[in-house]
Amino acid sequence: GNSVTQMEGPVTLSEEAFLTINCTYTATGYPSLFWYVQYPGEGLQLLLKATKADDKGSNKGFEATYRKETTSFHLEKGSVQVSDSAVYFCALTSGGSYIPTFGRGTSLIVHP
Amino acid sequence: ETGVTQTPRHLVMGMTNKKSLKCEQHLGHNAMYWYKQSAKKPLELMFVYNFKEQTENNSVPSRFSPECPNSSHLFLHLHTLQPEDSALYLCASSQDPTGQETQYFGPGTRLLVL
Repeated sequence: GNSVTQMEGPVTLSEEAFLTINCTYTATGYPSLFWYVQYPGEGLQLLLKATKADDKGSNKGFEATYRKETTSFHLEKGSVQVSDSAVYFCALTSGGSYIPTFGRGTSLIVHP
Repeated sequence: ETGVTQTPRHLVMGMTNKKSLKCEQHLGHNAMYWYKQSAKKPLELMFVYNFKEQTENNSVPSRFSPECPNSSHLFLHLHTLQPEDSALYLCASSQDPTGQETQYFGPGTRLLVL
């Protein structure tokens, strides 16, 4: 079956630090990969996505590249802000199933 | 109003109460979902509706009863819940459940069962 593994948090950084949140997956077929973000008191919202190998998704300074050879989709940002503090979820859909598989989520805390 | 809305945002209920959660999407989507988000546990998919037909019931206890009267509205009827059912209940929708489309989430209903 499909699965998504994310690094455990919380990840604590100072403002303007570089961010990496690791995500690896197992899936049948050719999955589509997603990063969702959940700000405090809100639901999840799409941050970025990639639908085929070597695609790079990007949004709000965040990037992630679909790496089929390493089955990874790591999230990166060059300079984080306090407002980036949230929980980040890696997810995939695959194998003709529209039911997404989510990782456990990684909490990011950015200090001024 | 646009996007996915959920009411109420907060709910406290006793174990003998009956209540309902409401979700509405104004995006013209065909599929709607209920998720349960508990502290320190993975996001759990509960139910999926596609064109008003239930296509997924992820071994959810019968004290949770979904209803989808049309493509824009989704309800979750609650009765005789347990304290461990306390969680954030998230509704989501997607345009076409073929696996490529983004899920759009509502803000959730924070449920506390006493």
